[in-house]
Amino acid sequence: QKEVEQNSGPLSVPEGAIASLNCTYSDRGSQSFFWYRQYSGKSPELIMSIYSNGDKEDGRFTAQLNKASQYVSLLIRDSQPSDSATYLCAVNAGNNRKLIWGLGTSLAVNP
Amino acid sequence: GAGVSQSPRYKVAKRGQDVALRCDPISGHVSLFWYQQALGQGPEFLTYFQNEAQLDKSGLPSDRFFAERPEGSVSTLKIQRTQQEDSAVYLCASSPGTRYEQYFGPGTRLTVT
Repeated sequence: QKEVEQNSGPLSVPEGAIASLNCTYSDRGSQSFFWYRQYSGKSPELIMSIYSNGDKEDGRFTAQLNKASQYVSLLIRDSQPSDSATYLCAVNAGNNRKLIWGLGTSLAVNP
Repeated sequence: GAGVSQSPRYKVAKRGQDVALRCDPISGHVSLFWYQQALGQGPEFLTYFQNEAQLDKSGLPSDRFFAERPEGSVSTLKIQRTQQEDSAVYLCASSPGTRYEQYFGPGTRLTVT
């Protein structure tokens, strides 16, 4: 069964620090990788997508992909209390448009 | 432009009642997905449409669940004879035809009493 795994956390970091969130996936055929942020009581919001090995930066967010190790990560620089949320990793299932989701990592940024 | 909208936002149903949940995708988005999300869990896939064609319904938990998208735009998820275990947030997402990113609506919180 195709799986996406994340540490459930909670991950606690002080304000201004770098938060590092990790995700592993089982399907070597996956080509598209996404990070979503979900605040309590809200729906998931897309924050990063990555398709190629290496790093992709967008503001304070950097996504890192290593297909050989089947590993994708999200770094949040200069973490703010407003970044406190659950971060969901999602990976496409082979050629299918369906996404396989991790259970999410809870991040708490402490002022 | 307008995002994905869902209605109702909250629904309380008595066990055994039928419910219908509506999703309006982003205009022009070809793909539409329904998910079920329990508290503290990631979204669980239910079904997927490309235009009006239902290409994957492998996640529908029982034959009480039915989804349609007759004109390739608005979709309805229907749950017949609701049970308490159906209580969850039902999320709808849409995706443009050329990319895999999915954009979510606000969800419908269903409570079955």
